[in-house]
Amino acid sequence: QKEVEQDPGPLSVPEGAIVSLNCTYSNSAFQYFMWYRQYSRKGPELLMYTYSSGNKEDGRFTAQVDKSSKYISLFIRDSQPSDSATYLCAMRDNYGQNFVFGPGTRLSVLP
Amino acid sequence: EPEVTQTPSHQVTQMGQEVILRCVPISNHLYFYWYRQILGQKVEFLVSFYNNEISEKSEIFDDQFSVERPDGSNFTLKIRSTKLEDSAMYFCATFGTGLYGYTFGSGTRLTVV
Repeated sequence: QKEVEQDPGPLSVPEGAIVSLNCTYSNSAFQYFMWYRQYSRKGPELLMYTYSSGNKEDGRFTAQVDKSSKYISLFIRDSQPSDSATYLCAMRDNYGQNFVFGPGTRLSVLP
Repeated sequence: EPEVTQTPSHQVTQMGQEVILRCVPISNHLYFYWYRQILGQKVEFLVSFYNNEISEKSEIFDDQFSVERPDGSNFTLKIRSTKLEDSAMYFCATFGTGLYGYTFGSGTRLTVV
């Protein structure tokens, strides 16, 4: 079983839709959870982070962590064509410095 | 907003040649990383660097790879004898105390021919 899994997509939605992106993981020691957005041929850009379980909201983005299910989600409300990118989840435990990345989900928001 | 700067943006090299990829971290960040991303694949950890030494490295980071911070500002990744399979995007990332996530550079696209 891979350590962090994501549906690779591509996921195509119409502009204005609510998008749900998800990751599952196997390591129960993970405590820090991040979502990155990566445009083509660019470096990943940090969108959201959460520590342990719970929800966090920032503008149109909401991150959720369910540690009991080893499942994290990123919701994008009122999606825009500029949201079209690959979304990467990343996570680490309390001790390691390096994050483990999921393979990414490619999102296309159609005007 | 502070940025992590990587140079060159694209490098083409012949198999067997040495390459040096450069990164200028954010000035008050203390933890430095190299990641790579083979086209269409996930971002993979290579190495972390703190207090002028390697703190963690992956299986990918074999004897062909080395890192250093020669002048206190640049952070470099050297590949001694490049192979075709080293072709990838190489990302430098830095991490500051009190923060939760990395700041990534825009990457260097390495093409080995």
